Amino acid sequence: QQQVKQSPQSLIVQKGGISIINCAYENTAFDYFPWYQQFPGKGPALLIAIRPDVSEKKEGRFTISFNKSAKQFSLHIMDSQPGDSATYFCAASIASGTYKYIFGTGTRLKVLA
Amino acid sequence: NAGVTQTPKFRVLKTGQSMTLLCAQDMNHEYMYWYRQDPGMGLRLIHYSVGEGTTAKGEVPDGYNVSRLKKQNFLLGLESAAPSQTSVYFCASSYPGPGGSLRNEQFFGPGTRLTVL
Repeated sequence: QQQVKQSPQSLIVQKGGISIINCAYENTAFDYFPWYQQFPGKGPALLIAIRPDVSEKKEGRFTISFNKSAKQFSLHIMDSQPGDSATYFCAASIASGTYKYIFGTGTRLKVLA
Repeated sequence: NAGVTQTPKFRVLKTGQSMTLLCAQDMNHEYMYWYRQDPGMGLRLIHYSVGEGTTAKGEVPDGYNVSRLKKQNFLLGLESAAPSQTSVYFCASSYPGPGGSLRNEQFFGPGTRLTVL
């Protein structure tokens, strides 16, 4: 119930291509879904987040697509660049109370120049 | 404004030794968290605090203790280190936004890489 399943574990994309990372959850009480980006040797940093009252959120080249009925959400990186090479984590939480996150297991993205 | 800082950056311990990891934040955040990051397992919550003087267990609390004596500091202790505690430890903090907002971003520190031999 508390798990967030993330796939794929690793992803290689050509420069200019689209990177897609998927996550699925079980707990219908989750109502806040952030994506974090982590570069080697650094802490994760918030990339983009969504609440389930919308089906899509776009910020620049990054888009979250959210399917409430399927309990799935995904991150799309358009026009992927070598600088996007990092590990991406999805997460879910309940946006009240303790604000604890449940993280996915991460996707290591490599964008080839 | 340093954000979230962690001390030390690296540490090597022998089995059975003890140590304390220090996390400090200068953003006046109420909530603070300790995670461990292991390959293929993502970030798992060890303990967290919703305010000065309060602490609570996360997903993987065994073998760890925490204290939040001051609002800006959150300490993680290992009383008797084990090789299974070899990991990268991250501290994070957040300011809980009002209901319906997206203001519950967690800000992470740079991490502490701990090796237990």
